[in-house]
Amino acid sequence: GAVVSQHPSRVICKSGTSVKIECRSLDFQATTMFWYRQFPKQSLMLMATSNEGSKATYEQGVEKDKFLINHASLTLSTLTVTSAHPEDSSFYICSAPRQGVNTGELFFGEGSRLTVL
Amino acid sequence: RKEVEQDPGPFNVPEGATVAFNCTYSNSASQSFFWYRQDCRKEPKLLMSVYSSGNEDGRFTAQLNRASQYISLLIRDSKLSDSATYLCVVKDYGQNFVFGPGTRLSVLP
Repeated sequence: GAVVSQHPSRVICKSGTSVKIECRSLDFQATTMFWYRQFPKQSLMLMATSNEGSKATYEQGVEKDKFLINHASLTLSTLTVTSAHPEDSSFYICSAPRQGVNTGELFFGEGSRLTVL
Repeated sequence: RKEVEQDPGPFNVPEGATVAFNCTYSNSASQSFFWYRQDCRKEPKLLMSVYSSGNEDGRFTAQLNRASQYISLLIRDSKLSDSATYLCVVKDYGQNFVFGPGTRLSVLP
C-alpha cells in the first residue's frame, strides 16, 4: 500500500483562486518532504524542500510567496498555490525519504493534477 | 553540464528484446543510486537500487561504475508492460536527490 498519500489527486479551479495540496507520510515520520512539478512530457522539477518545524528551501526561480509550503508536523506537508493562473496548471508531486536498511529510497505521493481555467 | 544526464529516447523496441539505458552523474561525492520507473501521468516508483557490485532483479540488471560516474540498467526479454519512463536518481550524503530527465521506453508488439 501507499506510504505517502497526496490529496487531492485532481483539482480544477478558476484563475485567481488558491489551491491547497496535502502530502502525508502514512507509517513513518518525515522530517523532510520534497515538492516537484512536472509539465507534460518533461522531467520532474524540484520546487522546494519542506522541513518540519522550519522554513522550506526553495529552488531557484520558484516564488516562495506563490507556492506556500507548510510542514507543521512530522507526517504532513502542504503546498498552497496562491492566486493560481493557467500557467500554473501542472502535475504536482510530493515525496519523502524513509531511512532504513535500503537507505535513501524516496516514496512518492500519487500526485495532484491541477488545472487552472 | 547537468548533474545527471540520460538519453531521453524514445527507445522503441520489439517484445522480447534486450534494451540498455545509461546514466552519467557529475558529483563524485554521490553515495546512493537508484532507478525509478514512471508511467504516464503517474508518480515515479522505485524499480531498484544500484549497488557497487551490481545487482539483478529478475529481468532487470543494474550496474554502477564509480570511476566513470556511470550507471546502467539492462532489461532482458522486454514486455509490453515495461513501457514507461526510466529515471536515474543520484543521492549524496544528505537528502539531496537529483533526478535525471528520464529515458522513454516503448515496447512494441
